[in-house]
Amino acid sequence: EVQLVESGGVVVQPGGSLRLSCAASGFTFDDYTMHWVRQAPGKGLEWVSLISWDGGSTYYADSVKGRFTISRDNSKNSLYLQMNSLRTEDTALYYCAKTGDTAYYFDYWGQGTLVTVSS
Amino acid sequence: QSALTQPASVSGSPGQSITISCTGTSSDIGGYNYVSWYQQHPGKAPKLMIYDVSNRPSGVSNRFSGSKSGNTASLTISGLQAEDEADYYCSSYTSSSTGYVFGTGTKVTVL
Repeated sequence: EVQLVESGGVVVQPGGSLRLSCAASGFTFDDYTMHWVRQAPGKGLEWVSLISWDGGSTYYADSVKGRFTISRDNSKNSLYLQMNSLRTEDTALYYCAKTGDTAYYFDYWGQGTLVTVSS
Repeated sequence: QSALTQPASVSGSPGQSITISCTGTSSDIGGYNYVSWYQQHPGKAPKLMIYDVSNRPSGVSNRFSGSKSGNTASLTISGLQAEDEADYYCSSYTSSSTGYVFGTGTKVTVL
């Protein structure tokens, strides 16, 4: 059974930093591109970033480019999101999501970890 | 990258069919057959319902179907049931940011 478990969400002040983690199990982690997707309270879904199976390619939404860094450790079946220069508009539930077998969709999602940016 | 455009709400009676539209551009929906749809119940993670425009994952009811014409994709739910009441989001690969874009979301209400 595929499982994705996010952690690391806390309350942080504007301008602060945070690192989110996602522990994956139930599939061959290093076969798949992985994503972070976020959802602000009461709002819709927003794609944040992706990383290829080997970490060699990364892409970001314009809203986080230059502030967030996605990475992975295939030896630990783990995905990460380093978040710097946080803004109040980064407040959201952050989901880790697995790419589907034919690549261009998200077939499994974690339950999310809540990041609150507030003074 | 702007979000794909969906109606804010759609409603129907049990047993009826409803269709949710999702409008984008030639850089996303119109340019690729990489449209997917997600169902999200309150307080839950999104669930994949349709991928690559019209394919259903194993375990998803055949009452859900997807299609695309030009820059607009559609999700049809036939034989509407109470359990279908949820938020629905479309998504597409986009070449404008080499990433992905989601729709604005549609709340489906079963009357």
